[in-house]
Order: sequence, then structure tokens, then C-alpha cells
Amino acid sequence: EDQVTQSPEALRLQEGESSSLNCSYTVSGLRGLFWYRQDPGKGPEFLFTLYSAGEEKEKERLKATLTKKESFLHITAPKPEDSATYLCAVQAWGASAGGTSYGKLTFGQGTILTVHP
Amino acid sequence: DGGITQSPKYLFRKEGQNVTLSCEQNLNHDAMYWYRQDPGQGLRLIYYSQIVNDFQKGDIAEGYSVSREKKESFPLTVTSAQKNPTAFYLCASRRLAGGPEQFFGPGTRLTVL
Repeated sequence: EDQVTQSPEALRLQEGESSSLNCSYTVSGLRGLFWYRQDPGKGPEFLFTLYSAGEEKEKERLKATLTKKESFLHITAPKPEDSATYLCAVQAWGASAGGTSYGKLTFGQGTILTVHP
Repeated sequence: DGGITQSPKYLFRKEGQNVTLSCEQNLNHDAMYWYRQDPGQGLRLIYYSQIVNDFQKGDIAEGYSVSREKKESFPLTVTSAQKNPTAFYLCASRRLAGGPEQFFGPGTRLTVL
């Protein structure tokens, strides 16, 4: 069974204080690992897809990296507007039914990030 | 602008009532999904559909039903058989010929009174 564990559950930072969020996963053949940002009361907003170990992607103050067992979301010099819940999800190549891949995502419980001015 | 819309944003239901949540997309995406989100838990898959007139159960389909009569629409009915329906419901979609990432709507918060 695919599993995703995110840590820490909550993270409080001062504006400008860089840090990292962790996503550990076990999956039977990784097709993709995804990072989403979710603001309170809203739907998740897609950030990144990572496909293989060693891959990195960046967007503004965010950088996502991937190893064979975990992914990190690095936040450099965060601002208060970066405050949100960050979700990690994985999709396995074996996520199929009736021989057709249906793209099931397995999500972690999220990390609540709060950045204080 | 292309996107996914869900309505209503808030929904209140009395015990024993069925309610239907709307999900519409104009992204020309093939596959559509329904997830449920509870505090402190990851999103869980309820139902999914890859083509019109076809859909499959996800991990927690009991007490829910769906239809896919049009490519753009994938409504979810929460029936009285669902024992704990209070949750945040999210609809997502993706293009089968594109990347594996799914794109989400704004969500519907259902509260059972």
C-alpha cells in the first residue's frame, strides 16, 4: 500500500527564516510526486511534479527536491504570504483498474506553515 | 478563463437527506475525481471517471454516488447511507494525454446538522 508521511505537522517561521518541509513516501514504482499549496477554505493549488530521484524544480521562493525515499520543499526567505498548508502526494505506476491507469493520488496529511512578519 | 467550478461553496444538510454537489470544468479534461478532506487527514479518493458514462469507485465510495453524462460535469451525491458526511469535498480533473498532475476546484464544505 502506498504511504505518504509529511513532517513537521506545523512549522512557524519568522519572515526571512529559511527552512524545509519533508515528505517521506513508500510506493510501488513512482510515477510522480506532487506538491500542492492549500489556503484555508480553498482547493489545493498545484506547485510541482517530480518524476525521478535527483530532480529539482523551483518557483519563486520554493524549491522541491526528490530522492528515492523522500522529497523536500525548501522555502528560502519566506514571506507572510507563503503561509498555507503544503500537501505532498504520490502516484504509482501501478495505480490502475481494469488494466487502465486512473491516476490515483495518495496524499500526506500536510504541513501547516505560518510565517510571521 | 478555464477552470473548475464547484457549487455550492457551503451546504447544510439534515440527517437522512440526500444532497448533490456540483463540479464543472471547461478545461477539456478527460478524467475527473472526487476527494474528501477531513482535518488532520490526507485527501481520500471517493470516485473517479475517465470517460463519459463510465466511473469507478475509489477508496471510500460507500454512501456516495456519481454520474458522468457530460465530459464537463461530474456531480457527487452524498446519500443518507453515508454515516459521517460532514467534510470538505474537492473535485479535480486532468487531461489523460497530459501530465499526471490533477487540478482542483475550490471545494464544497458540507455540514450535517
